[in-house]
Amino acid sequence: KQEVTQIPAALSVPEGENLVLNCSFTDSAIYNLQWFRQDPGKGLTSLLLIQSSQREQTSGRLNASLDKSSGRSTLYIAASQPGDSATYLCAVDNTDKLIFGTGTRLQVFP
Amino acid sequence: DTGVSQDPRHKITKRGQNVTFRCDPISEHNRLYWYRQTLGQGPEFLTYFQNEAQLEKSRLLSDRFSAERPKGSFSTLEIQRTEQGDSAMYLCASSSWAPQETQYFGPGTRLLVL
Repeated sequence: KQEVTQIPAALSVPEGENLVLNCSFTDSAIYNLQWFRQDPGKGLTSLLLIQSSQREQTSGRLNASLDKSSGRSTLYIAASQPGDSATYLCAVDNTDKLIFGTGTRLQVFP
Repeated sequence: DTGVSQDPRHKITKRGQNVTFRCDPISEHNRLYWYRQTLGQGPEFLTYFQNEAQLEKSRLLSDRFSAERPKGSFSTLEIQRTEQGDSAMYLCASSSWAPQETQYFGPGTRLLVL
């Protein structure tokens, strides 16, 4: 059974810091891995999708890497801003459905 | 650009009542998913459709839950005889036919059972 773990559970940093969020999964037979952002009480916004054959994806200040063999992914956020404050969720797709971690709650203060 | 929409956005009901939620996917998407999210947790898969066919149901989906997608467009999720443990955010997502494509999520329906 696929299990997804995210560390840390919460993070509070001053504006401008570079951040690394971690995601690990137990079954490496995945189709892809996605990172989502969720604002309080809202739905999910897809940030990055990494196919199983890829090693990383970049979008603006975000960079996500995937190491399938070790069951790990990291989301790197450069030069964090208060507007980045949200919960970040990692999800893996190995059977046409997404299995989510419990998220990292990020607060960036001015 | 119309994304995934869900209705209602919020629902408060008394224990034992039935509730129904609606999801309208992105128009060209033929896959539709339902997830449930409780406070402090990540979303958990409930069920998904390809066109009108319900292809998989989670064990989380007890007999009190039923989902339909009668014409392969919008979907409904009904909960009968609601219990306090059903209180959660119910999220709908859609994706295209191509495998391993991004799922696009709606804003969710927050259910509170008193």
